[in-house]
Amino acid sequence: GAVVSQHPSWVICKSGTSVKIECRSLDFQATTMFWYRQFPKQSLMLMATSNEGSKATYEQGVEKDKFLINHASLTLSTLTVTSAHPEDSSFYICSASRNSGDNEQFFGPGTRLTVL
Amino acid sequence: DQQVKQNSPSLSVQEGRISILNCDYTNSMFDYFLWYKKYPAEGPTFLISISSIKDKNEDGRFTVFLNKSAKHLSLHIVPSQPGDSAVYFCASYSYNTNAGKSTFGDGTTLTVKP
Repeated sequence: GAVVSQHPSWVICKSGTSVKIECRSLDFQATTMFWYRQFPKQSLMLMATSNEGSKATYEQGVEKDKFLINHASLTLSTLTVTSAHPEDSSFYICSASRNSGDNEQFFGPGTRLTVL
Repeated sequence: DQQVKQNSPSLSVQEGRISILNCDYTNSMFDYFLWYKKYPAEGPTFLISISSIKDKNEDGRFTVFLNKSAKHLSLHIVPSQPGDSAVYFCASYSYNTNAGKSTFGDGTTLTVKP
C-alpha cells in the first residue's frame, strides 16, 4: 500500500511553454502533498506544501506564480511550471502523507523536466 | 541556514562490512528524524525513523542512533550489501505546523563494493 505515482516521468519542452506534472496517491487518501525539487548532486528542496481544498504554502524563495500547485482532491495534486526556462530543468518529486502531521511521507518516482 | 547537514558527500565500504552514515542538525525542536534511500532517477524511499525521545531504533540490518546532546544521528547498515549502494538522505520532521515539514540533508552517496 501507500503508492504514489507521478506523470509524466520525463518531459522535454521548449522555453516559454508551461508544463503540468501530476502526483497521485493510488491507494490512500493524501491529506497533504509536498513538492520537492532536486538539483544534480544536491539535496531535495521543499518547494511547497499543499492541503486538499486549500491554497498551497510555498517555501521562501519559491515563486508561487511560477510554480502553480493545485490539490483538487485527496488523491491528486498538480504542479504547473509556467513559462518554463532552461534553469527550471530539474527533477521534481512529490510526496504524500495520509494525515496532517503524519511524519511518514510516501514519495512519487519523480519527473525529469528538461527545458530546451 | 541549513538545519540538517550531512558532511560526507560519499562513502565507500566493502561488502559485508558496516556502513555508518552521519547527520548533524541544529534545531533541537525537531520531533522525528528519518532516513531515506534514493536510487538515480527515482523518488526517495523511506528507510527508518527515530523519535526525538529515543536514542536507538533498529530494523533488520538498519539501526539509527540519536545523540541529542551532540545533535547528531547516524545510520548503521550491517552487513552492507551491493544493493545498498544509493544516496542516503537524513531528514528532520517537525510537528510545529499543521502539515508538518521535513528538512533534508544534502545526501551521502554510499557505494558498497563486492
